[in-house]
Amino acid sequence: QVQLIQSGAEVKKPGASVKVSCKVSGYTLTELPIYWVRQAPGKGLEWMGGFDPEDGETVYAQKFQDRVTVTEDTSTDTAFMELSSLRYDDTALYYCARRQLFAYFFDSWGQGTLVTVSS
Amino acid sequence: SYELTQPPSVSVSPGQTATITCSGDKLRHRYASWYQQKPGQSPILIIYEDKKRPSGIPERLSGSNSGNTATLTISGTQATDEADYYCQAWDRRTVIFGGGTKLTVL
Repeated sequence: QVQLIQSGAEVKKPGASVKVSCKVSGYTLTELPIYWVRQAPGKGLEWMGGFDPEDGETVYAQKFQDRVTVTEDTSTDTAFMELSSLRYDDTALYYCARRQLFAYFFDSWGQGTLVTVSS
Repeated sequence: SYELTQPPSVSVSPGQTATITCSGDKLRHRYASWYQQKPGQSPILIIYEDKKRPSGIPERLSGSNSGNTATLTISGTQATDEADYYCQAWDRRTVIFGGGTKLTVL
């Protein structure tokens, strides 16, 4: 059974960084890439970045290009998303999602990690 | 940048057919996917590659993609279908989501 289990809620101050983890089970991280999507309160889904297997590079949404870093630890099958220089409007639920290889959809999602930016 | 446009809300009576559209320039040349999200839950994939259903998704949910519009159709709508629905496509190496449509079953 495929599962994506994310780390717990975080409260951060403006200007700080946050690192969210996503541990996968039921398959290995080397098989299928993880992407990151966020959702501000009452808003829609917003893609942040992920590992593109077609060229072996990590790609980021232009909006987050300078502040987000997506990494993986294949020894523990855990993916990470780090967002720096946090602002109040970064308060959101952050999801990891599994992309099928050479496909254009996400077939499994984590439970979400709430990041609250507050002074 | 590429954009996908959805109506903010759609209302339907129980048992009737709900249609949710997703518009984007030459969308027919891209694969469209659809996700259902209920309050407090993570999104789940309900349609991929325009019209395919993952295992466990009922046949009364169907998708199509033609011209500039992808369409999610829910036949025999049930109260449990009340949720937010998002379309999604790819533009080069980036992921695009529509703004979401809230389906209300009256």
